[in-house]
Parts: sequence; structure tokens; C-alpha cells
Amino acid sequence: GAVVSQHPSRVICKSGTSVKIECRSLDFQATTMFWYRQFPKQSLMLMATSNEGSKATYEQGVEKDKFLINHASLTLSTLTVTSAHPEDSSFYICSAAPGLAWKTQYFGPGTRLLVL
Amino acid sequence: AQTVTQSQPEMSVQEAETVTLSCTYDTSESDYYLFWYKQPPSRQMILVIRQEAYKQQNATENRFSVNFQKAAKSFSLKISDSQLGDAAMYFCAYRRSVQGAQKLVFGQGTRLTINP
Repeated sequence: GAVVSQHPSRVICKSGTSVKIECRSLDFQATTMFWYRQFPKQSLMLMATSNEGSKATYEQGVEKDKFLINHASLTLSTLTVTSAHPEDSSFYICSAAPGLAWKTQYFGPGTRLLVL
Repeated sequence: AQTVTQSQPEMSVQEAETVTLSCTYDTSESDYYLFWYKQPPSRQMILVIRQEAYKQQNATENRFSVNFQKAAKSFSLKISDSQLGDAAMYFCAYRRSVQGAQKLVFGQGTRLTINP
């Protein structure tokens, strides 16, 4: 149980285009979902937290207009990187938790984004 | 501020031997959760073990166990009978509360190599 999927697993796009990444909880309802960014050989950096039906809460330094997050249902959250530039190239990981007072987050397999 | 420190960037161990990964954290909370996550080359984050701070008993999951020292704010992971499949990045994480919301704070990670 507790499986989280992400799609696509890898995406290459041209500078200036927008890219959408989907995160789905397959066998549980995810009240809360999280988006992380991971640079090579570094730890995970939390970008934002989203609760179903509410606006996402962004971490300090994360541009809300650059990284649009939508959590429209209890099983789906999306991250849209708008007007992507090469510096947005990174590994993006989502996670999901069942409930606000969660005990464990379950992670998706990640999406590698390369902006040319 | 709540922080998590892993002081060993890299560790190596002979197959079948035991290795201990260190983690210290800083918090003013009295009730919290601590985690060890494994990230193999596939980059999928995998939960290894979870410790609830109010429990005095150290958590154990098969070959994985922790040494939780609450007063010292130390949370080390012991891997017994190391296997080649244990090779990965290991992240220590702390669940912190921010204005009623729960977030994970990760340490810098320890890269574990298993020598055959």
C-alpha cells in the first residue's frame, strides 16, 4: 500500500515553455501533498505544501508564479513550471500524506526536468 | 530553528558487517517524529524506519534499528548484516510543526557504499 506515482518521469523542454508534473496517490486519500526539489548530490528542499481544495503554502524563496501548484482532489496534485529556464532544470519529487497530522509521507519516484 | 545534521557525508562497510549512520537534530518541541529514508540510485525515496519521540523504545525494522537518545537529540541508524542492496544515500529527517502544519526537514545525507 501507500503508492505515489509521478508523471512524467523525465521531460525535456525548450526555454520559455511550461511543464506540468502530476502526482497521484494510488491507494489512499492524500489530504496533504508536498513538492520538493533536489539538486545533484544534495538533499531534498521543500518547495511547497498543498492541502486539497486550498491554496498551496510556499517556502521562503520559492516563486509562486513560477511554480504553480494545484491540489484539486484527494488523489492528485500538479506542479506547473511556468516559462521554464535552464536554471529550473532539476529533479522534482512529490510526496503525499493521509491527513494533516500525518505520521509518514510517501514519496513519488520523481521527475527529472531538463530545460534547454 | 529546527535543523538536522548528518556529519558523515560518506560511509563504507564490508558486506555482512554492521554500520552506524549518525544524525543529530535541534528542536524545542517535545513530541515529534524522526525518520530515516533511503534513496538508491533510482532516486525513489524509501522509508526505512520511523521513531516517535514519546516512545522510549528504539524502533526496529528487520536489519535496521535506531539508537534514539532524546536528551542528546541524537538519532543514529544501525544496519546489521549489510547487503549490496543497502547501498544508497540515507537521509535523516525530522517532522516539524509550523503554524499547525507538519513538514519534513532533511539532513544533508550520507552516501553508504557496501564493499563485496
